[in-house]
Amino acid sequence: EMQLVESGGGLVQPGGSLRLSCAASGFTSSGYGMTWVRQAPGKGLEWVSSISGGGRATYYADSVKGRFTISRDNTKNTLYLQMNSLRAEDTAVYYCAKSSGWPFYFDYWGQGTLVTVSS
Amino acid sequence: QSALTQPASVSGSPGQSITISCTGTNSDVGGYNYVSWFQQHPGKAPKLMIYDVSNRPSGVSNRFSASKSGNTASLTISGLQAEDEADYYCSSYTSISTWVFGGGTKLTVL
Repeated sequence: EMQLVESGGGLVQPGGSLRLSCAASGFTSSGYGMTWVRQAPGKGLEWVSSISGGGRATYYADSVKGRFTISRDNTKNTLYLQMNSLRAEDTAVYYCAKSSGWPFYFDYWGQGTLVTVSS
Repeated sequence: QSALTQPASVSGSPGQSITISCTGTNSDVGGYNYVSWFQQHPGKAPKLMIYDVSNRPSGVSNRFSASKSGNTASLTISGLQAEDEADYYCSSYTSISTWVFGGGTKLTVL
């Protein structure tokens, strides 16, 4: 059974850092792109970043470019999002999503992890 | 990249059909056949319902269909059921190799 499990969320002060992880199982993750999408409390979905199956190609939303870094370790079937210089507006549930085809479509999502940026 | 435009809410009675629109620009919806639709129930993760404008993933009911004309994509749900009550989001690939979502539409089944 396919599964994506996010972890690493929590409370962090403005300007701080956090690293999210997304553990994949039930499929060969290296054969697919992966994506992070976030959802602020009571708000809509916002695409954050995507990475190719091999990890060489990365894509970022302007709102996080230069602050967030997406990466993956295919030997561990794990996706990461390193988040630096966090702001209050980064507060959201962060979902990872298996991404198929090209351009990607997001065909399977994890349950999300909550990141709260507050002093 | 501005969010795609969706109506905030739509409603319909059981058995009826409803359509949700998603309007973008020539740089996203109008420029590519890469529009997706997602269903999200409260407190749950989004679920892919449609990809590449009109393709249904395996397991998604054929009551869900979608199309595109110019800069506007549309999702139609026929034979409305109580379980269809949820938030629906469209998304599109863009000309600058990013993805953009719509603001979301709350579907109420009366």
